[in-house]
Order: sequence, then C-alpha cells, then structure tokens
Amino acid sequence: GAVVSQHPSWVICKSGTSVKIECRSLDFQATTMFWYRQFPKQSLMLMATSNEGSKATYEQGVEKDKFLINHASLTLSTLTVTSAHPEDSSFYICSARFRGRESHGELFFGEGSRLTVL
Amino acid sequence: RKEVEQDPGPFNVPEGATVAFNCTYSNSASQSFFWYRQDCRKEPKLLMSVYSSGNEDGRFTAQLNRASQYISLLIRDSKLSDSATYLCAVNAIHQAGTALIFGKGTTLSVSS
Repeated sequence: GAVVSQHPSWVICKSGTSVKIECRSLDFQATTMFWYRQFPKQSLMLMATSNEGSKATYEQGVEKDKFLINHASLTLSTLTVTSAHPEDSSFYICSARFRGRESHGELFFGEGSRLTVL
Repeated sequence: RKEVEQDPGPFNVPEGATVAFNCTYSNSASQSFFWYRQDCRKEPKLLMSVYSSGNEDGRFTAQLNRASQYISLLIRDSKLSDSATYLCAVNAIHQAGTALIFGKGTTLSVSS
C-alpha cells in the first residue's frame, strides 16, 4: 500500500487563484520531504526540499514566493501555488525520506497532483 | 553536462526479449543509485536500488560502474506489463543536503 498520500490528485483552477496540495506520510515519520514538478515527456525536476519545522530550501530558478511550502510536522507538507498561471500547469509530486532510511537515500512518492490552470 | 542522462528511447521490443538501459551521471561523489518505474500519468515507483557489486531481482539486474559513472538496468524475458518509462535516479548534494536527481527516463514498449 501507499506510504505517501497526496491530495488532490487533480485540480483545475482559473488563472490568478491559489492552489494548495497536501502530502502526508502514512505510518512513517518523514525527516525530509521533496517537491518535484514534471512537465509532459520531461524529467522530474526538484523544486524544493523541506525539513520539518524549518524553511524550505528552493532549487535555483524556483520562486519561493510563488511556491509556498510548509512542513508543519513529520507527516505533513503542503505546497501552495500562488496566483497560478497557465504555465504552472504541470504534474506536482511530493516524496518523502523516512527516519531511519536517510543513509539509503531512496524516496517514496505520493500519487502526484495534476494541476491545470485555465 | 546534465547531472543524470538517459537515452529516452523508445525501445520497442517483442515479448521475451532482453533489453538494457544505460544511465550516466556527472557527480563522482554520488553514493546512492536507483531505478524507478513510471507508468503513464502516475508517480514513480522504486524498482530497485543499485549496488556496487550489482544486484538482481527476478528478471531485473542492475549494475553500477563507478569508474565510468554509469548505471545499467537489464530486463530479461520482457513482459507486456514491463511497458513503462524507467527513470534512473542518483543521490546528489543539493541546496539542502542530498536529493534524488532523475534522468529524463527511457521508454520501453513491449509488444506481443
């Protein structure tokens, strides 16, 4: 069964609105959560890394004021796309690294959220 | 040079064929390597980790060549259900510690 749950799985919104995506680790404590974005036929691009209780660290080229990340607990991280525009339409996927597995490096992914901005 | 590079394919093979994918990475300090499988419009799922000594899981064999900085995945006796995109992933130092960096993926299509 899934160890990381992401919600909503898809969302359609009007340009200018904000959209919040939730990512929860189930039954495990996630020391670090990662947010990726994937455009059609492209690779997963890392957007930001977040550790529980601290500010997210964004990759170069990712606007932190546009993509707000909150990692309030060891089981929940949220990504808010603020003032979304059509070019933000993409597949957003969260992933978690679990406590006790940090040295192994593997990530477990949520089901992804497909955002379409009209 | 991109951090992780893969031949995008597609690889079109008949059932029962053996197919191999390669992936190269640029950061020689990388320590962990993985193959993920991604089905259309779905999230990636961990297929297997890649160890220095090479490792096998049923029909799947992964190899790591640190000197040449490449990783390979061999699939034997291909099944229709193996059709998917295979993503190579490398653990690399990034802004906030280590993070998995993915290749673009190699698409496999197995036909009957």
